[in-house]
Amino acid sequence: SQQGEEDPQALSIQEGENATMNCSYKTSINNLQWYRQNSGRGLVHLILIRSNEREKHSGRLRVTLDTSKKSSSLLITASRAADTASYFCATDRGGSYIPTFGRGTSLIVHP
Amino acid sequence: KAGVTQTPRYLIKTRGQQVTLSCSPISGHRSVSWYQQTPGQGLQFLFEYFSETQRNKGNFPGRFSGRQFSNSRSEMNVSTLELGDSALYLCASSRELGGNTIYFGEGSWLTVV
Repeated sequence: SQQGEEDPQALSIQEGENATMNCSYKTSINNLQWYRQNSGRGLVHLILIRSNEREKHSGRLRVTLDTSKKSSSLLITASRAADTASYFCATDRGGSYIPTFGRGTSLIVHP
Repeated sequence: KAGVTQTPRYLIKTRGQQVTLSCSPISGHRSVSWYQQTPGQGLQFLFEYFSETQRNKGNFPGRFSGRQFSNSRSEMNVSTLELGDSALYLCASSRELGGNTIYFGEGSWLTVV
């Protein structure tokens, strides 16, 4: 079963706008990661946030984590057409470090 | 430094055949894990190898197997292929067992006809 679930399943925006994706999970975690996948390619690691952290930044990416709500969000600011991809959250489950992936959010950024 | 390399990138097999996929991890990475990605099931963990030993295994039938060599390169094998085995098979490596960040290859697209 999926540990993390991304929302929305699909997101379509214009270049320059911000894109926000959410991830909810069911059991306690040690860390949560976000990955990007361009169509038909491998996954690229974007950012890792630990359970004792609330927010992390990396370039145009901002990730928040709310362990009380068991949710995380990924914000991409000033989006570009090159950001078009699927975005996945991956969580470990308490006691296992194996990352479990959600089904992803498909982001389309129109130029 | 070179990334995770998977071969072949694309292949077509017939039901009942078997297939072997290869993965070369990033230099210095000793842990290799495999995932299956399908539209219906998403990304599913297959297994993880470290020091030539399988350390973790997902919920896949025994037709799915793998191994790791002394140079950390890994292969996975699927025997008696079924149509439902059509998927993108992704290999990922990390420096150590339980490494927080795993690095993925481009994947091997398997089509079973």
